[in-house]
Amino acid sequence: ETGVTQTPRHLVMGMTNKKSLKCEQHLGHNAMYWYKQSAKKPLELMFVYNFKEQTENNSVPSRFSPECPNSSHLFLHLHTLQPEDSALYLCASSQESGRHEQYFGPGTRLTVT
Amino acid sequence: AQSVTQLGSHVSVSEGALVLLRCNYSSSVPPYLFWYVQYPNQGLQLLLKYTSAATLVKGINGFEAEFKKSETSFHLTKPSAHMSDAAEYFCAVNTNAGKSTFGDGTTLTVKP
Repeated sequence: ETGVTQTPRHLVMGMTNKKSLKCEQHLGHNAMYWYKQSAKKPLELMFVYNFKEQTENNSVPSRFSPECPNSSHLFLHLHTLQPEDSALYLCASSQESGRHEQYFGPGTRLTVT
Repeated sequence: AQSVTQLGSHVSVSEGALVLLRCNYSSSVPPYLFWYVQYPNQGLQLLLKYTSAATLVKGINGFEAEFKKSETSFHLTKPSAHMSDAAEYFCAVNTNAGKSTFGDGTTLTVKP
């Protein structure tokens, strides 16, 4: 247990569906991250929030929409996804963005059909 | 700009043998360096970190890494591999500016 939880752990959705991924951290951290991990590809940073403000959007398509209502919660809203979006989506948190290590959740395995 | 290069996407060792996973970085400012491990169907877990204190850093599960500024390296080692060490390992570099960069990962296989 790292103190970062993600729900759901598995999600299958059609290309016309709308769904949301949820991440919650119980560590008192101020920075939260979304990563995409695809088979045979490097870990891709998608979004960074520091003190609830988005500080990085790594050229992510608009069909992915993040939301950070407070420092403990992070959402990733999904709509009209493509099959190539199927991947493991990892959430992480750290004390602040920068020199601190990150604590990762177990991930949501997303399959787009 | 900063970057991380992990040499060797796959490393295979025999149980009991030395583990050496290579990581080279580039950074225009003093870096903070990390090694993470990922077991199947799990998130990444911190193994160890370098934050400008001692250059030889000890981590969990018997792993250690040495920061060598002259070689811009932060290689991960373990004297004797266990079957349970089989996993994917990621090197990462952070800066105070808030940027985190991960290497492509190295899959470690341990043969009985």
